[in-house]
Amino acid sequence: DTEVTQTPKHLVMGMTNKKSLKCEQHMGHRAMYWYKQKAKKPPELMFVYSYEKLSINESVPSRFSPECPNSSLLNLHLHALQPEDSALYLCASSQQGSSSYEQYFGPGTRLTVT
Amino acid sequence: GNSVTQMEGPVTLSEEAFLTINCTYTATGYPSLFWYVQYPGEGLQLLLKATKADDKGSNKGFEATYRKETTSFHLEKGSVQVSDSAVYFCALSDPTLFASGGSYIPTFGRGTSLIVHP
Repeated sequence: DTEVTQTPKHLVMGMTNKKSLKCEQHMGHRAMYWYKQKAKKPPELMFVYSYEKLSINESVPSRFSPECPNSSLLNLHLHALQPEDSALYLCASSQQGSSSYEQYFGPGTRLTVT
Repeated sequence: GNSVTQMEGPVTLSEEAFLTINCTYTATGYPSLFWYVQYPGEGLQLLLKATKADDKGSNKGFEATYRKETTSFHLEKGSVQVSDSAVYFCALSDPTLFASGGSYIPTFGRGTSLIVHP
């Protein structure tokens, strides 16, 4: 199984809502990533987890809160978002230990903040 | 720092035309190089990769050769199809740029949109 799954596929939320994005992989990868992608742009790295520990936070606002409950799951908790946070949110995973390993991406969650 | 430069799109071709998308890079270490493809409404997926100089990555008729002397990794396909219409991202992963725990952080190019007409 080389699939990364993400739920929900689409999400519309108001600026006062709290919601969560979920990501799951069963490839045994111990590196997991959250990216934000705006239209016609490359993915922008938000967070990296290695062995379930947060290893990189790319100065992401605190209204985004990541969580890695176990080696297969990655969540992104959203609270008090702004309209400019509307984007495609991509989860990815990869093997550890070599820069030659590619990333596996999920299909993304299309988020709209109203 | 590391960077990846891709040709600006969109690239518009007729079916069965020859495709080249240019990619050049700068890196601190000796990187691995990747091409990812993103079809409309989907996430990125690996198209091909090369991990050392003169390696040729290939998949689905696409090819790219790791050229260390010119720091390039140009994507080519001999005969494109309408179904190849997508955004193509060149990326590198530098062994000197990693997070704790051994996670490597890729650097992506801006992406090049390919539109193939019947």
